[in-house]
Amino acid sequence: QKEVEQNSGPLSVPEGAIASLNCTYSDRGSQSFFWYRQYSGKSPELIMSIYSNGDKEDGRFTAQLNKASQYVSLLIRDSQPSDSATYLCAVNRNQGGKLIFGQGTELSVKP
Amino acid sequence: EAGVAQSPRYKIIEKRQSVAFWCNPISGHATLYWYQQILGQGPKLLIQFQNNGVVDDSQLPKDRFSAERLKGVDSTLKIQPAKLEDSAVYLCASSLGPSTGQETQYFGPGTRLLVL
Repeated sequence: QKEVEQNSGPLSVPEGAIASLNCTYSDRGSQSFFWYRQYSGKSPELIMSIYSNGDKEDGRFTAQLNKASQYVSLLIRDSQPSDSATYLCAVNRNQGGKLIFGQGTELSVKP
Repeated sequence: EAGVAQSPRYKIIEKRQSVAFWCNPISGHATLYWYQQILGQGPKLLIQFQNNGVVDDSQLPKDRFSAERLKGVDSTLKIQPAKLEDSAVYLCASSLGPSTGQETQYFGPGTRLLVL
């Protein structure tokens, strides 16, 4: 079992729709959760972080965390073609700063 | 504010050769990370420094990889000798303070290595 698992996709949604990206993790003691966006040929950039159960909203992005189910998700509302990228879920298992990344989900937003 | 700088951006070598990558973190950032990202996968941490000390190098193949951050600022990652499976993007990242688990890691543009 991988430590952090994501659907590799590609996930294709029409412009203006809601894109839903999912991530599960294996270590129940994990404390911090991050979503990074990575455009093709570019480096990852942080778009959301979440540390406690529930929802966290930032503009068109909402991160959801359910520690009991070991599940974290990212919703992108009003998806735009510029959102087309690979989305990486990353988990920090303790206070040491080491991030464990999933393999990423490729999102394609069609005009 | 300048971002994380890395060089070179691209490198092509033959197997068994050696190669070195350089990283200069964001000014004032205490923690520096080297990740390896193989095509189609997420980044994998190779080594983490806090100032000039190693925090985690558990996934660094120490028989061929080495890294240093002598003055607690810039860092060098070396591979000697390189293998075909080392073909990947090597990402350097930095974060501001001591590792708490919640700090943002800022990534450099990466060095794309191809081993022939």
